[in-house]
Amino acid sequence: GDSVTQMEGPVTLSEEAFLTINCTYTATGYPSLFWYVQYPGEGLQLLLKATKADDKGSNKGFEATYRKETTSFHLEKGSVQVSDSAVYFCALSYGADRGSTLGRLYFGRGTQLTVWP
Amino acid sequence: DAGVIQSPRHEVTEMGQEVTLRCKPISGHDYLFWYRQTMMRGLELLIYFNNNVPIDDSGMPEDRFSAKMPNASFSTLKIQPSEPRDSAVYFCASSPWGSNQPQHFGDGTRLSIL
Repeated sequence: GDSVTQMEGPVTLSEEAFLTINCTYTATGYPSLFWYVQYPGEGLQLLLKATKADDKGSNKGFEATYRKETTSFHLEKGSVQVSDSAVYFCALSYGADRGSTLGRLYFGRGTQLTVWP
Repeated sequence: DAGVIQSPRHEVTEMGQEVTLRCKPISGHDYLFWYRQTMMRGLELLIYFNNNVPIDDSGMPEDRFSAKMPNASFSTLKIQPSEPRDSAVYFCASSPWGSNQPQHFGDGTRLSIL
């Protein structure tokens, strides 16, 4: 079935370190891919998205490239800050060709990131 | 613009009591989703609606759980009777029609069943 697999957390980094959070997916067809972020005590927020192969989503210094050949959508940031500490979720969704699943997101388990000053 | 509004933000009640969680989606959004988040099980989709009609309720854990969407601007998730294992953070989210549309989440209701 459709699924998203994220690297296990927690991830702990020092400020200004390079971040990679791995995400791979299993899906038929051509899903769209998303990264969401959840800060403590809040709901999930969209961080970035990519809708077709080789697209790169970017926002707030974070980037992820839709790699169809490796079915991956890894999240990267060149220099993390303390304020980036949060839980990060990878997710996928389908277009209208999937009928009743239109609109639904399939989430990974989430990866906790803690950044120390 | 107002986001997705959930109430209450926190609820503490004794087992056996009825619990009602409320959600106001973003105006104009066609989809509404109810999720549950726990440390053990992560983020689970319970049910979602399209234009007020339930599309998939396969994630609703038991008959004790029910959800309604009487109109485009309001939805409820009810647990009756509640049990301690229902303790979790419950999120509501909404999104516009169409593929590739992101979901917008509320801040959640933290539910504790004693």
